[in-house]
Amino acid sequence: GENVEQHPSTLSVQEGDSAVIKCTYSDSASNYFPWYKQELGKRPQLIIDIRSNVGEKKDQRIAVTLNKTAKHFSLHITETQPEDSAVYFCAATNTGNQFYFGTGTSLTVIP
Amino acid sequence: EAGVAQSPRYKIIEKRQSVAFWCNPISGHATLYWYQQILGQGPKLLIQFQNNGVVDDSQLPKDRFSAERLKGVDSTLKIQPAKLEDSAVYLCASSLLAGGGEQYFGPGTRLTVT
Repeated sequence: GENVEQHPSTLSVQEGDSAVIKCTYSDSASNYFPWYKQELGKRPQLIIDIRSNVGEKKDQRIAVTLNKTAKHFSLHITETQPEDSAVYFCAATNTGNQFYFGTGTSLTVIP
Repeated sequence: EAGVAQSPRYKIIEKRQSVAFWCNPISGHATLYWYQQILGQGPKLLIQFQNNGVVDDSQLPKDRFSAERLKGVDSTLKIQPAKLEDSAVYLCASSLLAGGGEQYFGPGTRLTVT
């Protein structure tokens, strides 16, 4: 099955700085890569996703890049704000829609 | 649009007892997932249904866990008997289509086994 690795496990940035979280996957058949934000005690919420036919996608301060050859994808958050503090999970899925999650990155934005 | 519903939200049981969780997916969503999320870890897929058929249950500890989705809508996940290491949040999610579609999570059930 798919194996998704995520780094770093914790990340602290100053407010206004950028944050980058990276994930690698093993199954070349994976074709959909969502990112979830999970605040303490709450459900994971989709914040951005990318499909395998696209190299980059942006949504305001959030962007995701995908390198299919290297099998890695990254989440970029610019102009970070304290409310961006949460745990972020990447995931990969194939045509069977079986989702495999990374181990999570705890992001802290320091005011 | 109503979201994914789960109940109960919290459950405390003793080891060797049984427990059941219920999930009602978003109306019309054919695919339903049960995940186990241990504190500090990412969600781990336990079982995936497509309508009322099982697509993937490779990570379900079948000696103690069971799940069903009899009419292709609601689903129940059961643990019998529970172990201390089953303490986790059990998340249900649903998606409209198979094949790389967005999934929506329920609020989860926090299980504590003492």
